[in-house]
Amino acid sequence: KAGVTQTPRYLIKTRGQQVTLSCSPISGHRSVSWYQQTPGQGLQFLFEYFSETQRNKGNFPGRFSGRQFSNSRSEMNVSTLELGDSALYLCASSFGQPGELFFGEGSRLTVL
Amino acid sequence: GESVGLHLPTLSVQEGDNSIINCAYSNSASDYFIWYKQESGKGPQFIIDIRSNMDKRQGQRVTVLLNKTVKHLSLQIAATQPGDSAVYFCAEAVGNEKLTFGTGTRLTIIP
Repeated sequence: KAGVTQTPRYLIKTRGQQVTLSCSPISGHRSVSWYQQTPGQGLQFLFEYFSETQRNKGNFPGRFSGRQFSNSRSEMNVSTLELGDSALYLCASSFGQPGELFFGEGSRLTVL
Repeated sequence: GESVGLHLPTLSVQEGDNSIINCAYSNSASDYFIWYKQESGKGPQFIIDIRSNMDKRQGQRVTVLLNKTVKHLSLQIAATQPGDSAVYFCAEAVGNEKLTFGTGTRLTIIP
């Protein structure tokens, strides 16, 4: 079956702009989690959505937001981009119980 | 082994040897642990998991050991191969809460 698909894979933005990243989970998975990965901070949890509801949230400012649609697809948005937002944004899906997260290849965001 | 901080620990192992990657976790309430492998340019990939009611679990060429007394987790890879070169992350969770990842260990296999 198809894996987790993230789009776009690469993008370049400038400070102050906003960006929307998309994630299509594995068919049948109802949970989608988002992580930010940087060389200095490792994998940092952003938020998790389950059946269109945010179930868990990490310690990121309100500029970072997300949502999940009825087909379990998810988007995350970062507004008023800062240089420090440059990172690999990873989406992971699961059935919703504690267990294996299936990660996508990530969206690499560069903020200039 | 893994630790909180900015520097990625590294481990170099001769091809064919066994490797052990260590991870210290801090939350004594964590009841689920998982190891991921991340190759360059790819997302993390599941290797093996273990729940807190176990102290050892084996997979194909991999073994995870859990010592709850000292809050320590290790991943053993037998007969390492060049394809094992990657960054390895441990992660922990409490119940249905989010997975918290360690900073990772870079494993390099020397031919």
